[in-house]
Amino acid sequence: QQQVKQSPQSLIVQKGGISIINCAYENTAFDYFPWYQQFPGKGPALLIAIRPDVSEKKEGRFTISFNKSAKQFSLHIMDSQPGDSATYFCAAHGGATNKLIFGTGTLLAVQP
Amino acid sequence: NAGVTQTPKFQVLKTGQSMTLQCAQDMNHEYMSWYRQDPGMGLRLIHYSVGAGITDQGEVPNGYNVSRSTTEDFPLRLLSAAPSQTSVYFCASSTFFTGGGGYTFGSGTRLTVV
Repeated sequence: QQQVKQSPQSLIVQKGGISIINCAYENTAFDYFPWYQQFPGKGPALLIAIRPDVSEKKEGRFTISFNKSAKQFSLHIMDSQPGDSATYFCAAHGGATNKLIFGTGTLLAVQP
Repeated sequence: NAGVTQTPKFQVLKTGQSMTLQCAQDMNHEYMSWYRQDPGMGLRLIHYSVGAGITDQGEVPNGYNVSRSTTEDFPLRLLSAAPSQTSVYFCASSTFFTGGGGYTFGSGTRLTVV
């Protein structure tokens, strides 16, 4: 049973465009929702994260939108650049268990 | 600081062979975990540890063993390798956190079982 569902599986965006990746979760006990960025041959690295009591968090060109009632959250990358081309994972943190449950990943390609 | 170090980076095994994937962290993190990454399936938790001497199973533990004798090291053992274990393996560590923080990942071990 997949606890965190992520879409789309892949995404192609033109340079300067907006990239949007969506995730949905089921367990209301999750207490923290991070996004990880992974470049080829590297491990995932924390990009940005949000708590469920906040509806939006922005860091530079990256924004998380969070809808607690719908149990959905999304990553927006504004003014997408070729250097943003990577795989993006959403995740949900299981509170006291400290487990991170990951989505299936989105391969983003930003074309110059 | 080195962060999380995984060795080897690449490995080819024959079916039935055993091996140990090494993971070490120098951040004094209590929590360590192993994930496998497969196309279209994201990162799936194999085993995790909340401290030295304490380990537990994750989502896909079959065929793997772990132990945690020290805070720094968390090796993953493949008992009898199978082609289905061909994957990229990541070790991660963290402090315990709620509402903030994150995992630090190693750079991965790419394993091929033939």
